[in-house]
Amino acid sequence: AQSVTQLGSHVSVSEGALVLLRCNYSSSVPPYLFWYVQYPNQGLQLLLKYTTGATLVKGINGFEAEFKKSETSFHLTKPSAHMSDAAEYFCAVSDHPGGSYIPTFGRGTSLIVHP
Amino acid sequence: ETGVTQTPRHLVMGMTNKKSLKCEQHLGHNAMYWYKQSAKKPLELMFVYSLEERVENNSVPSRFSPECPNSSHLFLHLHTLQPEDSALYLCASSQDRFGNQPQHFGDGTRLSIL
Repeated sequence: AQSVTQLGSHVSVSEGALVLLRCNYSSSVPPYLFWYVQYPNQGLQLLLKYTTGATLVKGINGFEAEFKKSETSFHLTKPSAHMSDAAEYFCAVSDHPGGSYIPTFGRGTSLIVHP
Repeated sequence: ETGVTQTPRHLVMGMTNKKSLKCEQHLGHNAMYWYKQSAKKPLELMFVYSLEERVENNSVPSRFSPECPNSSHLFLHLHTLQPEDSALYLCASSQDRFGNQPQHFGDGTRLSIL
């Protein structure tokens, strides 16, 4: 069974600083990987996804993530944080056919942006 | 229009009431999901429907009863709920259930049990 670990339930950065949200997964086969964002009183929105091909994936709002198979990681980064980036971020993993096709979500990381 | 619409947005009910949550997707997707989101807990998958057939039921108490009359609509019927059932209930859809397609979420129904 796959699992997803998001290190740090809260990450605090200053406006303009680098954002780094960590995600590690366990999977016996190459996975599909997703990052979602949830703003207050809203559902989850897709930020970006990795299925196959280039391991550096660019998403919306200036975010990107890199799939590193050797580290079983899919960390989310953004060069310069904006106040509007304050939200909850979820990493999700689903296996290729043969494994569970239902995404497993991490516990989420709350991003706090200080002026 | 968000693509996935959930109604009502907020619901307060007593433990003996019966109510239903509704989800509608306008994306032409074939898979639909119910999730429970509680404070300080991971997102909990409750039910999955693919082409109107239930394909996953994660040991959810029988006081929650899903219904999928067609590929665009999903309901969650509630009866005799407990205080611990208070949570945000999220509906999602995806093109299919094969894992490589992202899920599209509604804004949720905030449920409070008195």
